[in-house]
Amino acid sequence: LAKTTQPISMDSYEGQEVNITCSHNNIATNDYITWYQQFPSQGPRFIIQGYKTKVTNEVASLFIPADRKSSTLSLPRVSLSDTAVYYCLAHTNFNKFYFGSGTKLNVKP
Amino acid sequence: EAQVTQNPRYLITVTGKKLTVTCSQNMNHEYMSWYRQDPGLGLRQIYYSMNVEVTDKGDVPEGYKVSRKEKRNFPLILESPSPNQTSLYFCASSLGQGNQPQHFGDGTRLSIL
Repeated sequence: LAKTTQPISMDSYEGQEVNITCSHNNIATNDYITWYQQFPSQGPRFIIQGYKTKVTNEVASLFIPADRKSSTLSLPRVSLSDTAVYYCLAHTNFNKFYFGSGTKLNVKP
Repeated sequence: EAQVTQNPRYLITVTGKKLTVTCSQNMNHEYMSWYRQDPGLGLRQIYYSMNVEVTDKGDVPEGYKVSRKEKRNFPLILESPSPNQTSLYFCASSLGQGNQPQHFGDGTRLSIL
């Protein structure tokens, strides 16, 4: 089970692009990388998942370099409602999951 | 509506009094899991279940029991709760195939006095 390391917190302003990087040096060959978002008093919500290169959906993009030892979640043009905690996970299939402490993103007006 | 339902949402109880937190999902998911969330420690996995009658320990299983007699339900049992089990608990489920994302409930806040 690959442990992940993320910055504890980040600040940004509305309209900016935010990039949150996650380190997973011990990632296994079969591990996927998944990001979740959590608002206060709610359960985490799936944002995006990838294995390598780049994945984009309507909410975010995920960049994974060739060595897969890190990944970057990119949130385009953030708004105040994007203020939340973001978790990066590296996992194989559906067994154990390590969420860590996540990155608290604070978006300012 | 597809959802994971936890009950109760809030509970204050005393040390040693057995309690059960129920979790039910209506998505026919195979995989279910319990987490606890504490300040500064993030989400830590307690137990998970890959299918009916199949359960396994997560990172912090001590003091907890689970059962999976039906696909939709995955109750968390605290036989003899202690104050260090005061926490916010989340239940989650997923299809369990490949790397399907987990769907989380709204959480249960337990206070053990």
